[in-house]
Amino acid sequence: DAGVTQSPTHLIKTRGQQVTLRCSPKSGHDTVSWYQQALGQGPQFIFQYYEEEERQRGNFPDRFSGHQFPNYSSELNVNALLLGDSALYLCASSWAGTQMNTEAFFGQGTRLTVV
Amino acid sequence: QKEVEQDPGPLSVPEGAIVSLNCTYSNSAFQYFMWYRQYSRKGPELLMYTYSSGNKEDGRFTAQVDKSSKYISLFIRDSQPSDSATYLCAMSARVTGGGNKLTFGTGTQLKVEL
Repeated sequence: DAGVTQSPTHLIKTRGQQVTLRCSPKSGHDTVSWYQQALGQGPQFIFQYYEEEERQRGNFPDRFSGHQFPNYSSELNVNALLLGDSALYLCASSWAGTQMNTEAFFGQGTRLTVV
Repeated sequence: QKEVEQDPGPLSVPEGAIVSLNCTYSNSAFQYFMWYRQYSRKGPELLMYTYSSGNKEDGRFTAQVDKSSKYISLFIRDSQPSDSATYLCAMSARVTGGGNKLTFGTGTQLKVEL
C-alpha cells in the first residue's frame, strides 16, 4: 500500500519565480492538507482540500494556492517566491469518512530553497 | 502565546531509559491529540492518536492526555538509539463541516546514546 507521495523531493528556485508541488494521497484517503515546516519548527498549516474545494485555510497569504483533482491528488502553488518561503513543504492525507476527525499521514516532503 | 508549547530540547538519555516528552496547550477546543516522530530530512510519522482524555499504549509507547490540565505526554520505555529523532505533538479540534487542521508544537529533539 503506497503511502503519501510527494514530488519533487528537492527544488531550487529564484526569488520572484513560481513553483508547483505535487501530492498523491494514501490509498483510500480523500482529504489532502499542506503544511510548511521551517528549520527547527513544527509544521504550520497552509490549507486543506476535500471534494476539490478548499475547506480550511491557515494564516498564509494569497500567494499560496492549491488545487485538488478528481483522483484526490493535489497541487500547491506558490507565486512571487520570497527567500522566507524556503522550507520543507509537507502533504498530509486523511479520510473524511463520517466527518469525524481522523489520523493524518504525511509524505516525505519537498524541500524548497529560494535563492 | 503559542497555542501549543513544547520544550525543544535537545534531550539526551542513555539506552534503556524511560523517556518522557510533554506538551501543553491553551485551546480548550482541542479534542484529538497525536504524536509524530520525524527523522532528519524526512516527513513526520504518526506514532499515536488519542481522542479526548486518557491513556493509550502501543508497544513501548504510551500516550497520556489530561484535558483538565491541558497537558499531554508521550512515554517511551526501553529507549533505543533508533528512537533518536524529533518528536512532534499535534492537536486538532472538531469543526463544523469537517476538517482536521493540525496545530503542532515545535518538536523535541531526542538522542538515545549507547
